[in-house]
Amino acid sequence: KAGVTQTPRYLIKTRGQQVTLSCSPISGHRSVSWYQQTPGQGLQFLFEYFSETQRNKGNFPGRFSGRQFSNSRSEMNVSTLELGDSALYLCASRRDRNTEAFFGQGTRLTVV
Amino acid sequence: AQSVTQLGSHVSVSEGALVLLRCNYSSSVPPYLFWYVQYPNQGLQLLLKYTTGATLVKGINGFEAEFKKSETSFHLTKPSAHMSDAAEYFCAVSDPPSGTYKYIFGTGTRLKVLA
Repeated sequence: KAGVTQTPRYLIKTRGQQVTLSCSPISGHRSVSWYQQTPGQGLQFLFEYFSETQRNKGNFPGRFSGRQFSNSRSEMNVSTLELGDSALYLCASRRDRNTEAFFGQGTRLTVV
Repeated sequence: AQSVTQLGSHVSVSEGALVLLRCNYSSSVPPYLFWYVQYPNQGLQLLLKYTTGATLVKGINGFEAEFKKSETSFHLTKPSAHMSDAAEYFCAVSDPPSGTYKYIFGTGTRLKVLA
């Protein structure tokens, strides 16, 4: 059974640009959540999608957005990148909202 | 709001020694509790989980954790450390019965195993 796939693994972007990260959940999983991991702030919840609807959003500015498609694949977008957006972005896949989460290997975003 | 405290950002043990990583949560009702491990440049791997039922939970790689409601704790243990256990460990909580589906993570504990 394939795990959670995140693409790309590494990204380097310039301040002011925008970026799109992709996540393919485990087959049959309907919930996808995104987390940001930084040395200073640790693991912070960005948002959760379930059945193509955003169910919950963390305390991040509106520059961070996401969506989920009918096949449960999800994308997150960050516009007008700032240096502080440099982080490891992790996608978590769950069969249902109350089951355990399985994480992808993450996308390492570096903003220069 | 729920929070998770992991005591000790760095823990060192000798190979073969007991591993004990501490996790305390703040909640008036028992939440769902998880331990994850992260190796360098990798995502999080689920070690074990507690939702309901038996309070002693066994996970992968010889790890186990005990849910103690009276102490609001969910400490992770392993009887004998192996070099391959060196990694960062995260405790997390969620509370689906109350509508809190997101995970709240502790700040992590980096485990070093000494030869």
